[in-house]
Formats: sequence, C-alpha cells, structure tokens
Amino acid sequence: QQQVKQSPQSLIVQKGGIPIINCAYENTAFDYFPWYQQFPGKGPALLIAIRPDVSEKKEGRFTISFNKSAKQFSLHIMDSQPGDSATYFCAGIQGAQKLVFGQGTRLTINP
Amino acid sequence: DTEVTQTPKHLVMGMTNKKSLKCEQHMGHRAMYWYKQKAKKPPELMFVYSYEKLSINESVPSRFSPECPNSSLLNLHLHALQPEDSALYLCASSHGIIRGGREQFFGPGTRLTVL
Repeated sequence: QQQVKQSPQSLIVQKGGIPIINCAYENTAFDYFPWYQQFPGKGPALLIAIRPDVSEKKEGRFTISFNKSAKQFSLHIMDSQPGDSATYFCAGIQGAQKLVFGQGTRLTINP
Repeated sequence: DTEVTQTPKHLVMGMTNKKSLKCEQHMGHRAMYWYKQKAKKPPELMFVYSYEKLSINESVPSRFSPECPNSSLLNLHLHALQPEDSALYLCASSHGIIRGGREQFFGPGTRLTVL
C-alpha cells in the first residue's frame, strides 16, 4: 500500500534525447509527489514536485506528467545533457513527514 | 542560507567506539530528519523531529540515538555499531506540515564505515 514503484532501474540516452522515468503508487492518500536528483557521493536534491490535482508541471527542462486515475506519474528531461547523468528518485508523501521513495533510476547521458 | 550542512564528511569507527554525527540548518525549518542510505538504494527514514520533539522513530536499533538540542541542530549519536551499519547518513529539514512546507532539503551526508 505504501510502495512507490519506479522504472526503469537504469537508462542510457544520447545527448539531446528525452529520458522518461515512470513511477506508480498505490496509496491514494499521497498528496505530494517530489522528484530528487542525486549525484554520486552527494545528498539528494529536490528537482521538481507536483500535487495530484495538477496534470503537468514544467520547470526548465524537467517536466512531470501526472495521471491521477492511473496512479502514475513520470519525469521527462528535455534536451538531456551529460551533466544530467545521476540517480533519480520519485517519491510520495502523505500528510506528515514521511517520504516514500521509489527504488531509483540510474540515468546516463552519453555525449 | 539555503543549506543543510553535515559533519564530518567521512567517519571510520570501530565497533566499540562512540561517535556523533552533526547536522545544522538555518532556514527556519522546524522538522528535521535522519536517513540511512545504502549503495544503489533509496534513503531509508530513521527519525523525524518536529519542533524539537521526536515524532517518528522507524524502529531503529538503540545503538543509534538521535538528539535535537535546538531548532537548528540535529545530532545522531552512535555506539557499538555493526559493520552492516556502514552507509551514507543523510540529514534533511523541512518547514513541516504545520507550516505547509512539504519539501525536504538534504545535506551532503556523512559516509560512515564501521570496521
């Protein structure tokens, strides 16, 4: 019930391509969905977040698409760059403070 | 200041040692968190402090002891750890649900190795 399922585990894209990372959740009480970007040896950094009453949110080259009826959401990275190579985590949060993370996607952008 | 800082960056300790991890934020956040992260895994929540009071303990073994001396500081005291406790320990902070701020900001972490 509490899980957030994330796919794929790893993804390799050529520079300029559009990587897409997908997440699915079961807990309909989740009311906030952030995405985190983590570089090796660093802490996760908040990238972009969405509430379930919004179907799409864009911040720069990053877009979240949200499908409430399917309980799915995804991250798209436009014009991807080698510097975007990192591990990406989706998450859900309900009410108080507990983030439930997906298992992560290791993204590699080849030059 | 929009940073969460953590010290030390790296720590190596024996199983009989006592050490402490420190975390500091000056964003006026009233919720602070400890997470443990193993390689290639997502962060796992350990503890949550809200308004300097422990609000969530995710059944963490007693060899980990958190402390929140004030609204800006969070410590994690370590004693009699096991090699399997080796991990990246992350601190985070947020405004918390009461003030409507859901975003958690993470520090860079302390890389802990238990020998």
